[in-house]
Amino acid sequence: EVQLLESGGNLIEPGGSLTLSCAASGYRFSSYAMSWVRQAPGKGLEWVSGITDSGRNTYYADSVKGRFTISRDNSKNTLYLQMNSLTKDDTAVYYCAKAFSSWRQNFDYWGQGTLVTVSS
Amino acid sequence: DIQMTQSPSSLSASVGDRVTITCRASQDISTYLAWFQQKPGKAPKSLIFAASSLQNGVPSKFSGSGSGTDFTLTISSLQPEDFATYYCQQYNSFPLTFGQGTKLEIK
Repeated sequence: EVQLLESGGNLIEPGGSLTLSCAASGYRFSSYAMSWVRQAPGKGLEWVSGITDSGRNTYYADSVKGRFTISRDNSKNTLYLQMNSLTKDDTAVYYCAKAFSSWRQNFDYWGQGTLVTVSS
Repeated sequence: DIQMTQSPSSLSASVGDRVTITCRASQDISTYLAWFQQKPGKAPKSLIFAASSLQNGVPSKFSGSGSGTDFTLTISSLQPEDFATYYCQQYNSFPLTFGQGTKLEIK
């Protein structure tokens, strides 16, 4: 059974940094692309960042480019999102999503989400 | 960036009804279109990929169609568990983009 378990969400002050993790199990993690998708309170879904199976290629939304870094450790079956210079607009539930391709981001499974609150 | 526009934004229907939600892309995305269902407080659930292919375990009451710029999601014989918010998403090119969502409510 595929499972994706996010962690690392927290209350953080504006300008702060936070790293989210997504622990994957139940499939060959190293064979599939992954993404982070967020949802601000009461709002729709917003894609944040994606990474190919090997980690060689990464992609970002303009809203986070230069501030967020996606990475993965295929030996630990874990996806990461390093978030710097956080603002109130980054407040959201962050989901990791598994693609069923090595590079194209067509999602089949989602984690349960982790809440990031940026507030002073 | 490719803009995805869903209509309607909200929809009231009764148990047993058949409903259709549309999604329009601002440029040709071939069939790189997915649909998701989300219930309050829960993670999205993948329903359809490649515009018309059902994800494993998704009942056949859900169906998708379209290519290019115009797509539809049809849900037949609505049951109470189908009332949720539905999103389309294009994965033809980065940045990936979602529609604004369609909230399906019980009449």
